Amino acid sequence: GENVEQHPSTLSVQEGDSAVIKCTYSDSASNYFPWYKQELGKGPQLIIDIRSNVGEKKDQRIAVTLNKTAKHFSLHITETQPEDSAVYFCAARGPSGYALNFGKGTSLLVTP
Amino acid sequence: GAGVSQTPSNKVTEKGKYVELRCDPISGHTALYWYRQSLGQGPEFLIYFQGTGAADDSGLPNDRFFAVRPEGSVSTLKIQRTERGDSAVYLCASSLGRVNTGELFFGEGSRLTVL
Repeated sequence: GENVEQHPSTLSVQEGDSAVIKCTYSDSASNYFPWYKQELGKGPQLIIDIRSNVGEKKDQRIAVTLNKTAKHFSLHITETQPEDSAVYFCAARGPSGYALNFGKGTSLLVTP
Repeated sequence: GAGVSQTPSNKVTEKGKYVELRCDPISGHTALYWYRQSLGQGPEFLIYFQGTGAADDSGLPNDRFFAVRPEGSVSTLKIQRTERGDSAVYLCASSLGRVNTGELFFGEGSRLTVL
């Protein structure tokens, strides 16, 4: 099955700096790559996603890039704010079209 | 509108007991998923329903775990003879159910602690 690796496991940045989280996947047939943000005691919430026919997508301070050849994708958060502090998960969906396979998560801390 | 609702939010039980966890998906969502999240880990897929039927139950760890969705809406995850290793947050998600499309909307989870 699909295997998604995510790093770093923890990331601490100062407010205003950028944060980058990277993921790799194993199944070259995977075609959908969402990023979820999970705050303490809450369920994961989608923040951005990208499909395999696109190389980059941006939504305000958040961007995702996808390199299909290398089978990796990254989340970029610019101008970080304390409220960005949370655990971020990448995921990949294979050709079955439904189940998401998640990475182990990155705990992001943005210090004022 | 209401999001995915899960009950109970917390459940403490003793080893060997039977547990039921309930999920009420977003109205109109035909696809429903159960995931398990252990401390410090990402969600791990358990089972996927399309309508009333379990389309993929390959993630259920063993035959002590079972899930139903009899009317294509509310789903119940059932765990028999609970073990300490079953302690985790059980997340439910729903989506519109169109293959290859659709955001998964997660509930806040049911935290299960087996003593």
